[in-house]
Amino acid sequence: EDKVVQSPLSLVVHEGDTVTLNCSYEVTNFRSLLWYKQEKKAPTFLFMLTSSGIEKKSGRLSSILDKKELFSILNITATQTGDSAVYLCATLQGAQKLVFGQGTRLTINP
Amino acid sequence: EPEVTQTPSHQVTQMGQEVILRCVPISNHLYFYWYRQILGQKVEFLVSFYNNEISEKSEIFDDQFSVERPDGSNFTLKIRSTKLEDSAMYFCASRAVRSGANVLTFGAGSRLTVL
Repeated sequence: EDKVVQSPLSLVVHEGDTVTLNCSYEVTNFRSLLWYKQEKKAPTFLFMLTSSGIEKKSGRLSSILDKKELFSILNITATQTGDSAVYLCATLQGAQKLVFGQGTRLTINP
Repeated sequence: EPEVTQTPSHQVTQMGQEVILRCVPISNHLYFYWYRQILGQKVEFLVSFYNNEISEKSEIFDDQFSVERPDGSNFTLKIRSTKLEDSAMYFCASRAVRSGANVLTFGAGSRLTVL
């Protein structure tokens, strides 16, 4: 059975801290791994990772994929209260289907 | 920025009633999807749709579910006879057809509550 597992499930930190969110996967027909941020409703796209070892960056967020060990991490530096959200990891299988992890609920306290 | 639009934002229905959830995907996208998220659980794939037919569906997408693209802009999900366990947030998503554009853009969701 295809599995995407995120850890931790919940994380509370203070503004300014750096956080690392983890995602491991065991899926068939893997093509890419995607990170989404879910605040109130719609997941919004952050990164898509297809190749191992190539870091993707967007401002204070960065992510990397290890296809040998089957995991990805999402780093957020200098966290702000606006980073509070559920962060979803998903693998793209074939051309069609995203398989999601259960998400990490990140809370940034001022 | 282009977005996927879903209506209604919230629907309350009685068990056994039919519901139709509507989506307007991004205009130049040709792959369409429905996902759902039961409260407190993972986002789950329901169905993908391309070239006016279902290209893949999950075990959840049984005979009670159907999808349709009735015109050039709308993409609908119909649940024929709702059950309590159909209560969830239903997300529509779309993506462009060109190779490598594997990023799905999600709508804000339709919350379905079955009583």
